[in-house]
Amino acid sequence: NAGVMQNPRHLVRRRGQEARLRCSPMKGHSHVYWYRQLPEEGLKFMVYLQKENIIDESGMPKERFSAEFPKEGPSILRIQQVVRGDSAAYFCASSPLAGRLGETQYFGPGTRLLVL
Amino acid sequence: AQTVTQSQPEMSVQEAETVTLSCTYDTSESDYYLFWYKQPPSRQMILVIRQEAYKQQNATENRFSVNFQKAAKSFSLKISDSQLGDAAMYFCAYRYTGNQFYFGTGTSLTVIP
Repeated sequence: NAGVMQNPRHLVRRRGQEARLRCSPMKGHSHVYWYRQLPEEGLKFMVYLQKENIIDESGMPKERFSAEFPKEGPSILRIQQVVRGDSAAYFCASSPLAGRLGETQYFGPGTRLLVL
Repeated sequence: AQTVTQSQPEMSVQEAETVTLSCTYDTSESDYYLFWYKQPPSRQMILVIRQEAYKQQNATENRFSVNFQKAAKSFSLKISDSQLGDAAMYFCAYRYTGNQFYFGTGTSLTVIP
C-alpha cells in the first residue's frame, strides 16, 4: 500500500507566478489535510478536505490560496501570485476516517516551495 | 486557544543513553489525543507514539515511552538506548477534533556516537 504521494518534491517559482502542489492520499483514504511548515517552525494546519468538499479552511490565507479535492484525481493546493513569504514546506496528510481523535494522519514527504 | 510548547529547541544524547524531550500544552478540552512525530533529514513526518487523554497508563512503543501528566498538561517523550537513527526533529502534537493537529515548534535531537 503506497503511502501519501506528493509532487513535485521541490518547486521553484518566481514572484508573481502560480504554484500547484499535488497530493494523492493513501489508498482507501478520503480525507486530506494540508499543512505548511515555515523554516524553524512546526507544521501549521491550512485546510481539510473530503472528496469534492472543503470541510475546514480556517488555516488558509484568505487571498491567493485555494485547495480542491476532486472526485477523481489528487488534491491540489494552488497558490497564485506567489511571494517570497510563501517559501516553505507544504505537507499533505490523509486519513481514512474523520472525527476519530486517535486516528493518526499519514503524512506525505512534502513539497518544498522556493520563491525567488 | 490550543497551544503546544516545546521549550527545548535542541537536545543531544550519547548513543545508548536515555533522553527526555519535553512538551506542554494548553487546552480546556477533556477528550483529546497527544502525539509525538519524528522528522528526519528526509523531512518525512513519522508517527512515533500517541496517547489518549483519558488513559492514565503511559503509552510505550519499544524504546519510546511517554510521561503523560494530564493535570500538569505535560507530555514528555523518553527515548531509551538512543541510536544514531534517532537523530531528527521531534514534534509534539495535540488533537481534540478530527480536523487538525496542533504542532509544537520542535526539538532537534543530536545523537553523539
